[in-house]
Amino acid sequence: GESVGLHLPTLSVQEGDNSIINCAYSNSASDYFIWYKQESGKGPQFIIDIRSNMDKRQGQRVTVLLNKTVKHLSLQIAATQPGDSAVYFCAERAGGYNKLIFGAGTRLAVHP
Amino acid sequence: GAVVSQHPSWVICKSGTSVKIECRSLDFQATTMFWYRQFPKQSLMLMATSNEGSKATYEQGVEKDKFLINHASLTLSTLTVTSAHPEDSSFYICSARDFGGSESGYTFGSGTRLTVV
Repeated sequence: GESVGLHLPTLSVQEGDNSIINCAYSNSASDYFIWYKQESGKGPQFIIDIRSNMDKRQGQRVTVLLNKTVKHLSLQIAATQPGDSAVYFCAERAGGYNKLIFGAGTRLAVHP
Repeated sequence: GAVVSQHPSWVICKSGTSVKIECRSLDFQATTMFWYRQFPKQSLMLMATSNEGSKATYEQGVEKDKFLINHASLTLSTLTVTSAHPEDSSFYICSARDFGGSESGYTFGSGTRLTVV
């Protein structure tokens, strides 16, 4: 379904710590999920993806976990850096035309 | 990699006028494009799916007569906000299915900031 127009929650972390950003998705038929990073005034930037037949995928400094039982995704960022400060969205692919529906988003603030 | 160009990056228009936003796939053919709207501090909301050579499919609650979408070629989709009002002020973002041109198969434009005064 559509993402709800809620104001973004903020996760504040210290530089060097690990960050975990969570996302609940809506459609149990979604077969593909993507995490995006968005900086102010820019379009979404791809971070990592995962298909519904997997429960974990690792990239460079990032890991995505998928729990289909509770329709939950998480993004783990290791050794968070100031350049990681941005808004993070999960997106699910579902429905006709394989459209992407975005979750509510989380603002990550990294403090030195 | 796949590139989508969105133009203009920002525009200011007067209430009651119409404004057109273009979304071009530069190095691939995009039979399907998507238009999103994003209000400040909120998520991207899908407005419509644009298919080359056919009518757009609008999401529930989106006025198709106000947000006109045309996808007349394999590389260009346009969104026209008609009779714009201040509440239409938002960040509009397009996306194109690139079918292997990018890691995810979806490439996003850099967005258009619309301000209606």
